[in-house]
Amino acid sequence: QVQLVESGGGVVQPGRSLRLSCAAAGFTLSSYGMHWVRQAPGTGLEWMAFISDDGSKKDYADSVKGRFTISRDNSKNTLYLQMNSLRAEDTAVYYCAKEGGIAVVGTRYYYYYMDVWGKGTTVTVSS
Amino acid sequence: DIQMTQSPSSLSASVGDRVTITCRASQSISSYINWYQQKPGKAPKLLIYAASSLQSGVPSRFSGSGSGTDFTLTISSLQPEDFATYYCQQSYSTRWTFGLGTKVEIK
Repeated sequence: QVQLVESGGGVVQPGRSLRLSCAAAGFTLSSYGMHWVRQAPGTGLEWMAFISDDGSKKDYADSVKGRFTISRDNSKNTLYLQMNSLRAEDTAVYYCAKEGGIAVVGTRYYYYYMDVWGKGTTVTVSS
Repeated sequence: DIQMTQSPSSLSASVGDRVTITCRASQSISSYINWYQQKPGKAPKLLIYAASSLQSGVPSRFSGSGSGTDFTLTISSLQPEDFATYYCQQSYSTRWTFGLGTKVEIK
């Protein structure tokens, strides 16, 4: 059964750090790009970060660039999100998601989407 | 970053109604748009990818259309289990962005 399980959330003081993990099961993590998405209380979804299948490419939303780092350990089938200098506005449920893709007919490009999601882990930044 | 503007932000509908949600991109994104459904306390679920392709296991009453900047998600006959929040999301740029969501409520 294909699934993702996040862990590592909790209550943390502003300015401190936290590392989230996302364990993959039922598929080979090394074959797929992965994303982190968060949802602050009562609000919509916010894309946070992406890492390519081999870890060579990464990108971040402006709101976390320079503070958060996405990484992966394919040998452990695990994705990570290192969060530093946490702020109250980082309070949210954090989801990891597997990237799926389908080739655009007649081109070398792909349509990408997030087809498997974890249940999320809650991060609360408060003094 | 590409902005995704969804409308309406909420709507009330009855079981059996046809429901249409629109999403407009701030620039052309070809067909690089996906739609997700989220129920309270649950993770999002992929419904439609590449503007109009139905994800495996998703009922055929869901459909997507559009290209360029204007897109729609249609539910042909609303069912009780469809009351949820729906999000569009672009994957044209490397930094993906979501619309703010459309909450579909029971009339």
